[in-house]
Amino acid sequence: NAGVMQNPRHLVRRRGQEARLRCSPMKGHSHVYWYRQLPEEGLKFMVYLQKENIIDESGMPKERFSAEFPKEGPSILRIQQVVRGDSAAYFCASSGEGGLGEQYFGPGTRLTVT
Amino acid sequence: AQTVTQSQPEMSVQEAETVTLSCTYDTSESDYYLFWYKQPPSRQMILVIRQEAYKQQNATENRFSVNFQKAAKSFSLKISDSQLGDAAMYFCAYRRGNAGNMLTFGGGTRLMVKP
Repeated sequence: NAGVMQNPRHLVRRRGQEARLRCSPMKGHSHVYWYRQLPEEGLKFMVYLQKENIIDESGMPKERFSAEFPKEGPSILRIQQVVRGDSAAYFCASSGEGGLGEQYFGPGTRLTVT
Repeated sequence: AQTVTQSQPEMSVQEAETVTLSCTYDTSESDYYLFWYKQPPSRQMILVIRQEAYKQQNATENRFSVNFQKAAKSFSLKISDSQLGDAAMYFCAYRRGNAGNMLTFGGGTRLMVKP
């Protein structure tokens, strides 16, 4: 069973460009979470989605950031007009229905804004 | 809001020895879960161990065990017979209730293992 897939693993963008980060959850998982990790810090929650729905976006910056999880295809985290402060590792996690709802993490995307 | 605190930025242990990493949390919830994640240099987040708050028995996974003190809101991780591969960042995390809730992470503890 393939794990959570994220791509690209590394992304370099100039200030003002757009960054698109993709996440494919584990097979059978319908819950997707995005977290951001700044250097030398713990992960911070950004958004929680189910298919075609944003359930909790309390951790998302109000501007420039958006997320989606369409009926078909991966979840996308989009950052418009990137700034240097957006440089971080972005992790996606997924969980299934029922059980303990454990979240399994992808390898992360390291975004560098130059 | 829930908070998770790891008061030890760095810890070191001799290979084959035992080390304990500390974690405290703050919550008014009664139904919650606690986790320890390991993040090696590859940056992959690996679930090490979990604890359901309603269970009094401390969780154990091979060389990893926890000391869960619910009244004190403390959740420490003990690593026995430390191995070089245990060197990593360790994050304590809290989740309210069941699936569908976010994880709240502590700031992490960097564990170094000396040969």
